Amino acid sequence: GAGVSQSPSNKVTEKGKDVELRCDPISGHTALYWYRQRLGQGLEFLIYFQGNSAPDKSGLPSDRFSAERTGESVSTLTIQRTQQEDSAVYLCASSFSVGGGYTFGSGTRLTVV
Amino acid sequence: ELKVEQNPLFLSMQEGKNYTIYCNYSTTSDRLYWYRQDPGKSLESLFVLLSNGAVKQEGRLMASLDTKARLSTLHITAAVHDLSATYFCAGGDRDDKIIFGKGTRLHILP
Repeated sequence: GAGVSQSPSNKVTEKGKDVELRCDPISGHTALYWYRQRLGQGLEFLIYFQGNSAPDKSGLPSDRFSAERTGESVSTLTIQRTQQEDSAVYLCASSFSVGGGYTFGSGTRLTVV
Repeated sequence: ELKVEQNPLFLSMQEGKNYTIYCNYSTTSDRLYWYRQDPGKSLESLFVLLSNGAVKQEGRLMASLDTKARLSTLHITAAVHDLSATYFCAGGDRDDKIIFGKGTRLHILP
């Protein structure tokens, strides 16, 4: 695709429910990153993929968070048993290679009520 | 672990003035990025700086990198209202994570 596509763009969920966020990177981009941005804050690194493998999962806040990537394309970020502090915008970015310029998607705004 | 610090975090300035945003980072980084974010929007890539002494310019914005000082600057020349946004710098650490600063919220008064 022409850009990084994230879905849904907005998600409101009840506390305790599971949510799945999707990222479609630019075709051919091997590196993919997930970030979390709370209101008025900077970007918090969550996880990145090089191809289908995730060399660094250290940014995932807790074991309720997991991510996977298949076919060197789509990635999903899953949050189980959501809590109110999970409310944030979740941003995905991709790049042709690690170290290159990164293109960000528009994000998924998650609200846990 | 790479840490990235920006200053100032908030800047209000008059149109037509010049100013510089500073980005310091704590450990060796082989690449430095600058992004712009408008309210409610995603991040737009401005510059990628890959070597010591690199300087890149786009319109009224100029970014530079001094790897010895572990410092990057984003200089704004003759600011205009359209440049009001939040500007982030980010560095690539040796494990290939991209670590962001907290951002500089720039408000340009007409």
